[in-house]
Amino acid sequence: GDQVKQSPSALSLQEGTNSALRCNFSIATTTVQWFLQNPRGSLMNLFYLVPGTKENGRLKSTFNSKESYSTLHIRDAQLEDSGTYFCAAPTSGGNYKPTFGKGTSLVVHP
Amino acid sequence: AQTIHQWPVAEIKAVGSPLSLGCTIKGKSSPNLYWYWQATGGTLQQLFYSITVGQVESVVQLNLSASRPKDDQFILSTEKLLLSHSGFYLCAWSLTGGDTEVFFGKGTRLTVV
Repeated sequence: GDQVKQSPSALSLQEGTNSALRCNFSIATTTVQWFLQNPRGSLMNLFYLVPGTKENGRLKSTFNSKESYSTLHIRDAQLEDSGTYFCAAPTSGGNYKPTFGKGTSLVVHP
Repeated sequence: AQTIHQWPVAEIKAVGSPLSLGCTIKGKSSPNLYWYWQATGGTLQQLFYSITVGQVESVVQLNLSASRPKDDQFILSTEKLLLSHSGFYLCAWSLTGGDTEVFFGKGTRLTVV
């Protein structure tokens, strides 16, 4: 099964609303990364987290390693927040292999 | 500041033709380097990683190979392209050691016809 599961797979938001994306892990991980991929394909680093919470502008992310999940909260969604959000976690086993979820495709509409 | 440059930006190639994609990282000594592949609408699949010059580990076999001829350079290649090689190729780096933040280049979009 998937080691990194993201939900929802797709999301449509009206501008100005709030929402949360989730990432569940079936692997033991000590960190998590969140990325936003724009329509051209470039990946922007949003957060790199150890257990705890980080905030950046309208985005906030929490990583709970004991319960193996992470969330990304989007507040006051804007059109430029549209894109695909990925979470990634390093797997164990001797080599460093950041494993990605399948992504959440977000469309923010006026 | 670290910069990561991938080339070319896009390629259209014929089935059976060779391929070489490049990636250069500046401003960071001896980084870990990675190649990822993404099918249209899909997730990112790690293909190769390298922790030092001349050493490359394969993660997924896709009839591709990778080399690290210099500390700051990572090359992805094949002698014969397949239709299934189409997609988006991303190079990434992280600091050495285990669990560290990964940073990506802007990618190369490959279309095999």
